[in-house]
Amino acid sequence: EPEVTQTPSHQVTQMGQEVILRCVPISNHLYFYWYRQILGQKVEFLVSFYNNEISEKSEIFDDQFSVERPDGSNFTLKIRSTKLEDSAMYFCASSEGPRFLEQYFGPGTRLTVT
Amino acid sequence: RKEVEQDPGPFNVPEGATVAFNCTYSNSASQSFFWYRQDCRKEPKLLMSVYSSGNEDGRFTAQLNRASQYISLLIRDSKLSDSATYLCVVRNTGGFKTIFGAGTRLFVKA
Repeated sequence: EPEVTQTPSHQVTQMGQEVILRCVPISNHLYFYWYRQILGQKVEFLVSFYNNEISEKSEIFDDQFSVERPDGSNFTLKIRSTKLEDSAMYFCASSEGPRFLEQYFGPGTRLTVT
Repeated sequence: RKEVEQDPGPFNVPEGATVAFNCTYSNSASQSFFWYRQDCRKEPKLLMSVYSSGNEDGRFTAQLNRASQYISLLIRDSKLSDSATYLCVVRNTGGFKTIFGAGTRLFVKA
């Protein structure tokens, strides 16, 4: 069964450093998403991406965040200057189509900012 | 009012019990509805989509009431493996943003 993969599974970084989280969506999917989940809290939408551009973003997704699809398989989330409050689990998801279709999640990257 | 609200839980039930989860959403323009389950420190996994006519998948039944802006999930004959957090998920018309409820924790005991 095809699945979304994410690397690394755990990333520890110092405050102010840049991090790049990587995702390989399911191969025939066209819509890609990033979510975050702070420990003990709910899953929060960050951004959706289609046709090489952001289709929607939340208020959390400020200028320190960016996304990219550098090649035909990877989808990345970059955090430019990490803060303590960026510590969370980051999930990538993909879907065949928008809105009505189900999203499938990767296993997540646990980001710890010290 | 929260965009998606769920019973806070936790629910503690014995094996074999029937358990119901409720969810309400605030945006009447919401278009797509799903139930996911999430095990501790794992990713959300799709359980089922929710359709206006209601749908069933084995022991799981989902219902949608658009007039009341209410979604439900019924689990019959609970198994130990059903222990997880159940997430109500809503997507709005015209957008890609997906809104998760805070989840309801279920513990199924032997």
